[in-house]
Amino acid sequence: ETGVTQTPRHLVMGMTNKKSLKCEQHLGHNAMYWYKQSAKKPLELMFVYSLEERVENNSVPSRFSPECPNSSHLFLHLHTLQPEDSALYLCASSRTGGDTQYFGPGTRLTVL
Amino acid sequence: TQLLEQSPQFLSIQEGENLTVYCNSSSVFSSLQWYRQEPGEGPVLLVTVVTGGEVKKLKRLTFQFGDARKDSSLHITAAQPGDTGLYLCAAHFSGNTPLVFGKGTRLSVIA
Repeated sequence: ETGVTQTPRHLVMGMTNKKSLKCEQHLGHNAMYWYKQSAKKPLELMFVYSLEERVENNSVPSRFSPECPNSSHLFLHLHTLQPEDSALYLCASSRTGGDTQYFGPGTRLTVL
Repeated sequence: TQLLEQSPQFLSIQEGENLTVYCNSSSVFSSLQWYRQEPGEGPVLLVTVVTGGEVKKLKRLTFQFGDARKDSSLHITAAQPGDTGLYLCAAHFSGNTPLVFGKGTRLSVIA
């Protein structure tokens, strides 16, 4: 059983679509993260939530909008994406902000 | 900007061979993690090291944290096809700073 789950696992969307990625953690952690993983680049941190408050936003375009309704759930709302946004989007959680992070399996996003 | 350099970028070896991959920075880490990622999956944590000079073993994998806490290595003995994957190192440069990832070493073990 994995501690961090993500849905959907694969998503294909057009540039005018609106979709949402979902992450759920079953580890009792207080911090959750969204990362983007593109080919030939290190993992890029997008957003950090600690105790349901956003504490980090690394200059991510506004077409990505995170939501953290409680400490177990994290969403990434997508709107008017570009083809260069195609990537693997990974969710992670940790006990506190500086602790070891545990990752979900990711959502492979393709923007046409 | 704090960076983690991983080498080699790619490594292809025969089953049964030994290998070492490296993770280096010009700055001191407060802690460092090694992850393995298989295609289409998220990174899976292998180990966390926090003390300079620390050595940890996980079956055929040996992890070493440099004395100066600026480098780490992962040594695999008698590699198997199941070891194939992307090996990522990630570090906290101080207590609550975001985790910084290297680009990874992509390992292929051929039967």
